[in-house]
Amino acid sequence: GAVVSQHPSWVICKSGTSVKIECRSLDFQATTMFWYRQFPKQSLMLMATSNEGSKATYEQGVEKDKFLINHASLTLSTLTVTSAHPEDSSFYICSAIRTSGTTDNEQFFGPGTRLTVL
Amino acid sequence: AQSVTQLDSQVPVFEEAPVELRCNYSSSVSVYLFWYVQYPNQGLQLLLKYLSGSTLVKGINGFEAEFNKSQTSFHLRKPSVHISDTAEYFCAVSQRSNDYKLSFGAGTTVTVRA
Repeated sequence: GAVVSQHPSWVICKSGTSVKIECRSLDFQATTMFWYRQFPKQSLMLMATSNEGSKATYEQGVEKDKFLINHASLTLSTLTVTSAHPEDSSFYICSAIRTSGTTDNEQFFGPGTRLTVL
Repeated sequence: AQSVTQLDSQVPVFEEAPVELRCNYSSSVSVYLFWYVQYPNQGLQLLLKYLSGSTLVKGINGFEAEFNKSQTSFHLRKPSVHISDTAEYFCAVSQRSNDYKLSFGAGTTVTVRA
């Protein structure tokens, strides 16, 4: 149990276009999901916390108008990179926390999405 | 706020040799501690976690870690590594609150050679 998927696994787009990345919890409900980005050979940096039915909470320095997050259901959160530029190229990873039955803060991670902006 | 320091950026090790990856943290409140492994172009997989109780935690794939509160450390160990243990390892900490946020260390690259 506790499987998280991401789609697509990789995407290449032209500069100026928008890209949507989906994060799904396949076998559990997740009130809270997180979005991270990871540059090559670096650690994960938290971008935002996605809460079902409410606005996402963005970390300092993350442009909320550029990285749109929607958490419309208990199993799906989406990250849309708007007007993408080459500097947005990165590995984006989501994670999810079970809605119920946990007190240990464990996050379950998706396999990641490689975004390349040309 | 909390922070995590992984003291070794790269650890080369021979197959069947032991390995230790060092992790120190700082926090003004009690924390949960985690070790994750990341294989190339993949997400993170949980190796083990410390929540409370016994300070020696056993995880998957033969890994274990020891929580030392006085030294604010959570070092990861494996007595005998395999080639398949070649990966990136991340130590992470989460405050015992409801925000669930994880702070990650910079990562340690383990390269196992035959």
